[in-house]
Amino acid sequence: QQPVQSPQAVILREGEDAVINCSSSKALYSVHWYRQKHGEAPVFLMILLKGGEQKGHDKISASFNEKKQQSSLYLTASQLSYSGTYFCGTVPKENAGNMLTFGGGTRLMVKP
Amino acid sequence: DAGVIQSPRHEVTEMGQEVTLRCKPISGHNSLFWYRQTMMRGLELLIYFNNNVPIDDSGMPEDRFSAKMPNASFSTLKIQPSEPRDSAVYFCASSLLGGEGETQYFGPGTRLLVL
Repeated sequence: QQPVQSPQAVILREGEDAVINCSSSKALYSVHWYRQKHGEAPVFLMILLKGGEQKGHDKISASFNEKKQQSSLYLTASQLSYSGTYFCGTVPKENAGNMLTFGGGTRLMVKP
Repeated sequence: DAGVIQSPRHEVTEMGQEVTLRCKPISGHNSLFWYRQTMMRGLELLIYFNNNVPIDDSGMPEDRFSAKMPNASFSTLKIQPSEPRDSAVYFCASSLLGGEGETQYFGPGTRLLVL
């Protein structure tokens, strides 16, 4: 079942913050976050496996709620290089394995 | 490591022709995935293999599509006959089954245009 991402699109000025959400109707085994720039392949950002987990690097971080049905990606002090489409990919807990189902994506545009 | 390698990077063909896309996964990875990406349908999983064995091909659109993985370092996705609605970017990804979270790494993709 495809996870639901919100918002579908967001426009920021350089230095502003953004939050992208990924929700599932069922408990998840894991959530993977990817960023895809125009004309390129999706690039892995991070994975969350544990309820209540928060992790990140540089100014991009993510959280996984206790029920393991929702994850959020946080982009702080955005840079021009953050522009792209962000996808979450999920693995359901009931069918834990390595098959990801991707959300519809969130288009992020950072302007100077 | 060279990462996931796909060929060709671009393919333009006419309706009815056979198209073969190729993928070399990251060395040591034992899972391979084929995805299709379009504006309308987003990123869709077509089929995936674990240890060269097809596990789930429920995403394959129809009998015109077939995929093989004859060994751990090579896979093909074939479309025969091709149709204009097959135009899309096709990605191959690989991961290490049993690795932490089994992160998937994507190849650069093949842009297919069927006229």
